[in-house]
Amino acid sequence: GIQVEQSPPDLILQEGANSTLRCNFSDSVNNLQWFHQNPWGQLINLFYIPSGTKQNGRLSATTVATERYSLLYISSSQTTDSGVYFCAVRETSGSRLTFGEGTQLTVNP
Amino acid sequence: EAEVAQSPRYKITEKSQAVAFWCDPISGHATLYWYRQILGQGPELLVQFQDESVVDDSQLPKDRFSAERLKGVDSTLKIQPAELGDSAMYLCASTRDRPYNEQFFGPGTRLTVL
Repeated sequence: GIQVEQSPPDLILQEGANSTLRCNFSDSVNNLQWFHQNPWGQLINLFYIPSGTKQNGRLSATTVATERYSLLYISSSQTTDSGVYFCAVRETSGSRLTFGEGTQLTVNP
Repeated sequence: EAEVAQSPRYKITEKSQAVAFWCDPISGHATLYWYRQILGQGPELLVQFQDESVVDDSQLPKDRFSAERLKGVDSTLKIQPAELGDSAMYLCASTRDRPYNEQFFGPGTRLTVL
């Protein structure tokens, strides 16, 4: 099956800093999503981005499907951005969504 | 805003007992998924339904887990008997009629087996 690798595994920032999270995948995909898991465990949809670039407030994402990676940018980070960020993909030949191991982000005041 | 509903939010049970989780997907979403998330890891698919039919249950431990979606709307996931290793977050998600579309997740059920 498809392999999904996220980096870095852990990231600690001061409030106001910018960051970039990366997701590499090993095969062609027709679905890529970024999620934020809040402290209560719920997965919050950030982006549905199988290709191209999208922006939503302080967050933006870019997926280069031909090179099999996606980037999530967080600008002017806030303490409420803390949590785990997951990338999940569906390979073109499959039907299941495969998640990476996540990036644990901590934003300190 | 439409959301995926799950209950209960938390469940504590003893080893060898039976437990059941319920999920109600977003109205109109034909595809429903159950995932299990062990602490510190990403969610992993247990079972996928298209309407009332199972599409993928290859990762479902069928000796103790069962899932149904009898009328193609809400769904129940059951574990009998529960084992210590079943302690995890159980997440339900849904998408519209095409599986390529965006998945939306419910709040999850956190299971602790003692």
